[in-house]
Amino acid sequence: QVQLQESGPGLVKPSGTLSLTCAVSGGSISSSNWWSWVRQPPGKGLEWIGEIYHSGSTNYNPSLKSRVTISVDKSKNQFSLKLSSVTAADTAVYYCARIEGETDAFDIWGQGTMVTVSS
Amino acid sequence: SYELTQPPSVSVSPGQTARITCSGDALPKQYAYWYQQKPGQAPVLVIYKDSERPSGIPERFSGSSSGTTVTLTISGVQAEDEADYYCQSADSSGTHYVFGTGTKVTVL
Repeated sequence: QVQLQESGPGLVKPSGTLSLTCAVSGGSISSSNWWSWVRQPPGKGLEWIGEIYHSGSTNYNPSLKSRVTISVDKSKNQFSLKLSSVTAADTAVYYCARIEGETDAFDIWGQGTMVTVSS
Repeated sequence: SYELTQPPSVSVSPGQTARITCSGDALPKQYAYWYQQKPGQAPVLVIYKDSERPSGIPERFSGSSSGTTVTLTISGVQAEDEADYYCQSADSSGTHYVFGTGTKVTVL
């Protein structure tokens, strides 16, 4: 049973860089799946941030592409998100999720972690 | 940027049928997926590839597609189905994912 767990600072200063990690347990990050980040501002809808394959290939939301980097660490079975030049608009619950290789469904989600951008 | 449009809210009495629509120009080319999200919880996949139901999802959840609109149907709604529902698909290139605006289902 694959499980995902996000971790990282809950508070980031404006203009700083948000950094989160998603640990994958119960399965290999090198399986035939993509791994993704999704965020949800308080009281609002879901926004796809980007995805990565174990090879390092990435796709990003065009609206965030200039500020986002997603990377993978196969030795630690985890992947990470960096979002630079953050503002209050980046305050959200950040989820990591698995995109299943055969169905392209976001089939497994982490519990989410709240990140607040504030001085 | 590509958008998927859903009605903000749907209200339904227990035992009745709830239908949630999702509209987008690329839906004739790209599959749609549906997620249920309850307060304080992560989303849960309830329909994939327009109309397929994952194991463990009740049969009362079904999906359909027609042109630029996809529909999630909940037949015989139960109180536990009260939640936010999001459609999800990809843009015409297939490389960028998009979530719908979300629909709050209220069970009266």
